Amino acid sequence: DAGITQSPRHKVTETGTPVTLRCHQTENHRYMYWYRQDPGHGLRLIHYSYGVKDTDKGEVSDGYSVSRSKTEDFLLTLESATSSQTSVYFCAIAGGLSSYEQYFGPGTRLTVT
Amino acid sequence: AQKVTQAQTEISVVEKEDVTLDCVYETRDTTYYLFWYKQPPSGELVFLIRRNSFDEQNEISGRYSWNFQKSTSSFNFTITASQVVDSAVYFCALSEGASTGNTPLVFGKGTRLSVIA
Repeated sequence: DAGITQSPRHKVTETGTPVTLRCHQTENHRYMYWYRQDPGHGLRLIHYSYGVKDTDKGEVSDGYSVSRSKTEDFLLTLESATSSQTSVYFCAIAGGLSSYEQYFGPGTRLTVT
Repeated sequence: AQKVTQAQTEISVVEKEDVTLDCVYETRDTTYYLFWYKQPPSGELVFLIRRNSFDEQNEISGRYSWNFQKSTSSFNFTITASQVVDSAVYFCALSEGASTGNTPLVFGKGTRLSVIA
């Protein structure tokens, strides 16, 4: 299994508070992704990174920001959490030209009350 | 624009039956990649297979097989002699090719398979 961890695994927070989710990899893969999973929607891309300090928006990026200051860590921040951001968040990594498969972390269940 | 459609929301079968999960995709790229992932009740996402757009050869892995047909833009997944452990949500996904490397996945909404003993 690819070495991907996510922290925290579960979090309950109140509306309006900032939240940061962390994705950490030990594979030295170039590409990292944040997806959210909601019933009836499958997984949708929030943001992704194609290198240190190189990021781009996905389909559902509003209300989220990301940072990648080193290869192994990709942070997802909810500046002011809303109830609509209650979801399961998955991080994924991929190796680039030689490996198009994306491998997923265990997920973070976030509840915004 | 890319799109993946899994028309079957839920399927229920009796153990040992064969079952096919449908996946239809849309893309304007001539180079793309198709994937299947499994999400068991424990919640993790497990990679099953990747297929390149230029390779239409069907693939078999144990009880799993995949049928890729560019003419109908479909990438269907068949489980032969289903088992209770196959119960999961299965996702089909598409990634468009890029000369610079990897691109994000576009997922279908998933098919929940329940295998009853």
